[in-house]
Amino acid sequence: EVQLVESGGGLVQPGGSLRLSCAASGFTFSSYWMHWVRQAPGKGLVWVLRINSDGSSTSYADSVKGRFTISRDNAKNTLYLQMSSLRAEDTAVYYCAREGWGLLGGSFDIWGQGTMVTVSS
Amino acid sequence: QSVLTQPPSVSGAPGQRVTISCTGSSSNIGAGYDVHWYQQLPGTAPKLLIYGNTNRPSGVPDRFSGSKSGTSASLAITGLQADDEADYYCQSYDSSLSVFYVFGTGTKVTVL
Repeated sequence: EVQLVESGGGLVQPGGSLRLSCAASGFTFSSYWMHWVRQAPGKGLVWVLRINSDGSSTSYADSVKGRFTISRDNAKNTLYLQMSSLRAEDTAVYYCAREGWGLLGGSFDIWGQGTMVTVSS
Repeated sequence: QSVLTQPPSVSGAPGQRVTISCTGSSSNIGAGYDVHWYQQLPGTAPKLLIYGNTNRPSGVPDRFSGSKSGTSASLAITGLQADDEADYYCQSYDSSLSVFYVFGTGTKVTVL
């Protein structure tokens, strides 16, 4: 079964750090671009970061540039999100998502269940 | 922050047809980038519903259909069912911003 499972969310104080993980299974992880998408409570979906298949190229939304880092370990089939200098406005459910290939390119065809990050004192 | 605009809500009775619009601009939908649609049931992760403007992943009923014209796209749901009650998001790519992948504002579909 094709699956993404996030972990690492929790409560963190403003200015703190947190690392999220996303374990992939059921597909050739190293062949796909991967993304993090977040959703603040009661709000819509917002794309945050992207990494290409071999980890050599990344893209970030302005809102997290310089504070968040996306990385991957293809040997471990795992995607990471290192978050630092966290702010209250970073409070959200964080989803990892697989970008589709071929005709599915540009779409997010597989999503994890999400992990909640709460930034509060 | 969203550059794709959707109506906040649409509603219909069981069996009816509803449509959701997604309005963009010349830097995203109008530039020829594909539009994709997602369904998010309450308390769950989004699920890909339509990709490449008009295509359904396997397992998605043909009651769901997508279209695109100019700077806009639409999602139609025919034969509305109670379990279609969810939030729906369009998504595309934008070449003018540092946010490359953009989502719509989201539409809540209510089955009366």
